[in-house]
Amino acid sequence: EPEVTQTPSHQVTQMGQEVILRCVPISNHLYFYWYRQILGQKVEFLVSFYNNEISEKSEIFDDQFSVERPDGSNFTLKIRSTKLEDSAMYFCASSETRSQETQYFGPGTRLLVL
Amino acid sequence: AQTVTQSQPEMSVQEAETVTLSCTYDTSESDYYLFWYKQPPSRQMILVIRQEAYKQQNATENRFSVNFQKAAKSFSLKISDSQLGDAAMYFCAYRSATMEYGNKLVFGAGTILRVKS
Repeated sequence: EPEVTQTPSHQVTQMGQEVILRCVPISNHLYFYWYRQILGQKVEFLVSFYNNEISEKSEIFDDQFSVERPDGSNFTLKIRSTKLEDSAMYFCASSETRSQETQYFGPGTRLLVL
Repeated sequence: AQTVTQSQPEMSVQEAETVTLSCTYDTSESDYYLFWYKQPPSRQMILVIRQEAYKQQNATENRFSVNFQKAAKSFSLKISDSQLGDAAMYFCAYRSATMEYGNKLVFGAGTILRVKS
C-alpha cells in the first residue's frame, strides 16, 4: 500500500541553524501539507501546497519557514534559523485531490533544537 | 473559525470491553468531514475512521464506529472488543468541505486511551 515517507526520522540541531525536512508524498497525490505537534500538545496545521504554490498557511508559518517541491517526488519544509520553540514533531501529509477528504500522514520527523 | 474539543484527556478500558471517546466541534458550515486519527507511541498518525457530514448513516470500520450527531455537533468514537494494540492517543479532526476555509485539518487536543489486560 502506498505511503507517505519522511526523512530524517530524528534531527538535532543548534539554535540558529537551518534545517530541511523531507517528505515523499504518495505518488498520485496533488495536495501536500505540513503539520507540527509540540510535545504534549495538539497537532497544528502549518501550510498546504498545490500546483507548486502555497494554497494556505497558518500564522505559525512565518518568514522563517518555506516549502518547496524541488522535483516530482519530494516536498520539503525549510526552517531558516531555528529557535528553541521549533522543537516538535513535524508531519507531512498528502491527499489525492482537494475534494478527497482524507489526508494520509507520514511517520513524522522529530526535531530537537538545542 | 472551527474548533474541536475532546473533553476526556485520558480513558481506560479493559481488554475485550467497549469504550467511547467523545468529541464535539463548533462550525457554522453545513458540509464538512470529520475524522478520528490514532497516534500510537511511534507517533505516526493513522486514520481510523471518517464521516461525511452529509451522510446520516454513521461510519463503521470493523471494531470502530462513530455516533455522529450533526445537530448536537458531536462525533464520538466507539471501540468494541478493545485490544492491547488500541492503546494510543486518539485525535478527533475536522475539515471544511468548502474552499473558503481551505482544506486543513483542525485537531482536538487528543484522548489517551489505555487498555488494561
